[in-house]
Amino acid sequence: QITLKESGPTLVKPTQTLTLTCTFSGFSLNTTEMGVGWIRQPPGKALEWLALIYWNDDKRYNTSLKTRVTITKDTSKNQVVLTMTNMDPVDSATYYCARLGHFRGRFFHYWGQGTLVTVSS
Amino acid sequence: DIQMTQSPSTLSASVGDRVTITCRASQSIGIWLAWYQQKPGKAPKVLIYKASSLESGVPSRFSGSGSGTEFTLTISSLQPDDFATYYCQQYNSYWTFGQGTKVEIK
Repeated sequence: QITLKESGPTLVKPTQTLTLTCTFSGFSLNTTEMGVGWIRQPPGKALEWLALIYWNDDKRYNTSLKTRVTITKDTSKNQVVLTMTNMDPVDSATYYCARLGHFRGRFFHYWGQGTLVTVSS
Repeated sequence: DIQMTQSPSTLSASVGDRVTITCRASQSIGIWLAWYQQKPGKAPKVLIYKASSLESGVPSRFSGSGSGTEFTLTISSLQPDDFATYYCQQYNSYWTFGQGTKVEIK
């Protein structure tokens, strides 16, 4: 059974750095063509892809956030970490991690439940 | 960057109606398009991938079509469980979601 779960702070102050961890089970990020990404959704708004990391440590970033976002993985712990610097109230959102469809395609096949992050002083 | 535009933004329909949602890409994405359903407070769930492939376990009343820049999601006979928000997503070049279509009860 494939599961993903996000964890991290629920409240951060403006200008602080957000660190979120995605802990997964049921697959390995050592597997060829595997990838895990982060997607966020402000309350009442659309989904926005943020970043993705592949099995070979290749990384992709949303160009609009590239200077603020970093994605890393720890395959021994089955974790993917997202850091986002200089947080602002507009970054308040539910943050999801999700796994690609692997050989079925690079869509987001499996999703975590999401974690709500509020940016406020 | 590839932009995805969905229409309509909101759709009011009744149980049993045939519903069609359109998604347009700002440049050709081939068939690399997925459709997701999202209910309030829940993560999105994939319905269709590769433009027309039905995800396992998804009812056959859902279907997808299109290629290049124009895509559609069709629900052949709307059921009570289908009232939700639907998103298209391209994965030809990185990943971009549409702005969503909320299907409401008429």
